[in-house]
Amino acid sequence: ILNVEQSPQSLHVQEGDSTNFTCSFPSSNFYALHWYRWETAKSPEALFVMTLNGDEKKKGRISATLNTKEGYSYLYIKGSQPEDSATYLCAFIIYTNAGKSTFGDGTTLTVKP
Amino acid sequence: DGGITQSPKYLFRKEGQNVTLSCEQNLNHDAMYWYRQDPGQGLRLIYYSQIVNDFQKGDIAEGYSVSREKKESFPLTVTSAQKNPTAFYLCASKPHRNSNQPQHFGDGTRLSIL
Repeated sequence: ILNVEQSPQSLHVQEGDSTNFTCSFPSSNFYALHWYRWETAKSPEALFVMTLNGDEKKKGRISATLNTKEGYSYLYIKGSQPEDSATYLCAFIIYTNAGKSTFGDGTTLTVKP
Repeated sequence: DGGITQSPKYLFRKEGQNVTLSCEQNLNHDAMYWYRQDPGQGLRLIYYSQIVNDFQKGDIAEGYSVSREKKESFPLTVTSAQKNPTAFYLCASKPHRNSNQPQHFGDGTRLSIL
């Protein structure tokens, strides 16, 4: 079983704060990394697909970076809003079995108004 | 609208009983997945299927069974051999096995033991 770790496990911030969290994964046989947002009572939705070392993706106030050589990805949220409250999951895909994703345990973000 | 439908939303199982969770997709995706989530944990892969009439065990397959007779359907049976079945179950799909595209998820089924 591949080891995908996310930190911190949970995070409480005030509205307007910027925040970031980490996904660590094996640095060998990298194929892709996905970030998902999972809001309460909804299904997980994809945020970013990251495939190349050095990738930087942005969607509004949320951005992500990727370092495949050292095996980590950062997710940044600028100026957090209450609607950003969710669990953020990363999923790692290995080159030799692209059909399977290994998920981290997620980071749960709570943004207080 | 295209998507994944899981049913039922809530399911209760008696001790020693098998139950089947339904997952249907109209996205024309080849690959389908079943995950289990326990409190405070991430998604753990139970079974996955990359094509009709084929499926593979995931990381926690013991006590579960699946079938993939049709492209759009991937039901999961929780057997009496699964000693701790209380959990949230998510079904997902993606276009094909080698796609680097993300998975699409259903809304989940919450299974509890009576």
